[in-house]
Amino acid sequence: QKEVEQDPGPLSVPEGAIVSLNCTYSNSAFQYFMWYRQYSRKGPELLMYTYSSGNKEDGRFTAQVDKSSKYISLFIRDSQPSDSATYLCAMSPSLTGANSKLTFGKGITLSVRP
Amino acid sequence: DAGVTQSPTHLIKTRGQQVTLRCSPISGHKSVSWYQQVLGQGPQFIFQYYEKEERGRGNFPDRFSARQFPNYSSELNVNALLLGDSALYLCASSFAQGSYEQYFGPGTRLTVT
Repeated sequence: QKEVEQDPGPLSVPEGAIVSLNCTYSNSAFQYFMWYRQYSRKGPELLMYTYSSGNKEDGRFTAQVDKSSKYISLFIRDSQPSDSATYLCAMSPSLTGANSKLTFGKGITLSVRP
Repeated sequence: DAGVTQSPTHLIKTRGQQVTLRCSPISGHKSVSWYQQVLGQGPQFIFQYYEKEERGRGNFPDRFSARQFPNYSSELNVNALLLGDSALYLCASSFAQGSYEQYFGPGTRLTVT
C-alpha cells in the first residue's frame, strides 16, 4: 500500500461546478498537509496548507483534514476553466530534520468545461 | 522577483552516461530540495539541502548525488543513467528548512535513450 493514495482521474466538470478532490494516507505521523496545482509543463505551485486536523478556506478553495480517518480533501467552488490542471496532495511528518520530506499523491487531472 | 530557475530545460542522454542538473533558488532562500516526477506520478523526494548541508535523502540509489554551493544554488548529479531515470526533475526552494512554503521551478525534463 502506498503511503498516500489519491482518487484516480481524470475528472471533467462543467464550469461553475463544485469539485471535490480527495486523498487518503496510511502514515499516522503526517502532520502537515498541502495541496499543489500543476499546470502542463510547469512545476507544482502551493495552493493550500493545513496543519493537523481542521478546515481552511481561501477564496474559492477549502481544504479539510480528518486525521482520525486519515483523509484530506480539497473543495473548489464555482470552478473555472482556468482551474483545469493536475492537483497533487502532499504531506509530511515534520517541516525540519530528516523527516521533512514531502510525500505526494499521484495527482488527479481536472478539466473544467466552459 | 525571479522564481526558481532550472537548467537545462530539456536533456537527452544515453544509458550509462552522467548528467548534471542545476537549480538557482529564489533570492534569500537557503533551502533547496530535489524531486523526481515520472510521467503520470506525483513528485518523489530525492534530497534536501540547507545551508550547504544535506538534511534529508529519499529512497534513491547512490548514483544520485547533489550539492549546494555558498550562493545556495544546487546541482543534482546522476551517474550511470538508466532508462528508468527518464523523468521531470524538479527543484524547490524555501526560505528555511522549517518552512512549509516550497516554491518549485519548472523542472528539467530528462530523457534517457
